[in-house]
Amino acid sequence: NAGVTQTPKFRILKIGQSMTLQCTQDMNHNYMYWYRQDPGMGLKLIYYSVGAGITDKGEVPNGYNVSRSTTEDFPLRLELAAPSQTSVYFCASRSLADTSTDTQYFGPGTRLTVL
Amino acid sequence: RKEVEQDPGPFNVPEGATVAFNCTYSNSASQSFFWYRQDCRKEPKLLMSVYSSGNEDGRFTAQLNRASQYISLLIRDSKLSDSATYLCVVRIPDSWGKFQFGAGTQVVVTP
Repeated sequence: NAGVTQTPKFRILKIGQSMTLQCTQDMNHNYMYWYRQDPGMGLKLIYYSVGAGITDKGEVPNGYNVSRSTTEDFPLRLELAAPSQTSVYFCASRSLADTSTDTQYFGPGTRLTVL
Repeated sequence: RKEVEQDPGPFNVPEGATVAFNCTYSNSASQSFFWYRQDCRKEPKLLMSVYSSGNEDGRFTAQLNRASQYISLLIRDSKLSDSATYLCVVRIPDSWGKFQFGAGTQVVVTP
């Protein structure tokens, strides 16, 4: 049981390049989330999903796209990378059935630099 | 006003001492609150959930004050390993499972 895994761990992009951040969870969780964390700031929600085929925007969706074709995978696509997208990206998952603690389980993060 | 606000600290605490800090939230309809711990450049991990007036887990006590719209976290008998950033998280009411994060309070426990 690996929990939430993210790849890559680190990436440097040039302005205008595109990339996909991968996120996979093996806990059969309904909810999945993408957050970004800038230095000294709280996590900000980019996109989230309540199940396969269902996604919705969070607080800061501009410049990103997501898809959720399976329960396990929730990739985040960056098109036309900009320096403002330099951040640490965390993927998280949560079970709809966990009403006692409502725990979000986070992946280890992807550190992205756009130059 | 930020929706979830925390004192960034750092709170410098001698080993064995007690430290407490607050988190204020703006949405009076909020019902679910959480404290997450984040070690430097690592992923956040749940410390405790706070649904009613408070919760206690060993040396950690969380209190909820609905009238003044804040939650607090108290750490007793601080250990060096308690050094971390503590994130206050509030579930957004009627939002299909979205959460708002505070920027975190840094705690540094010194020998």
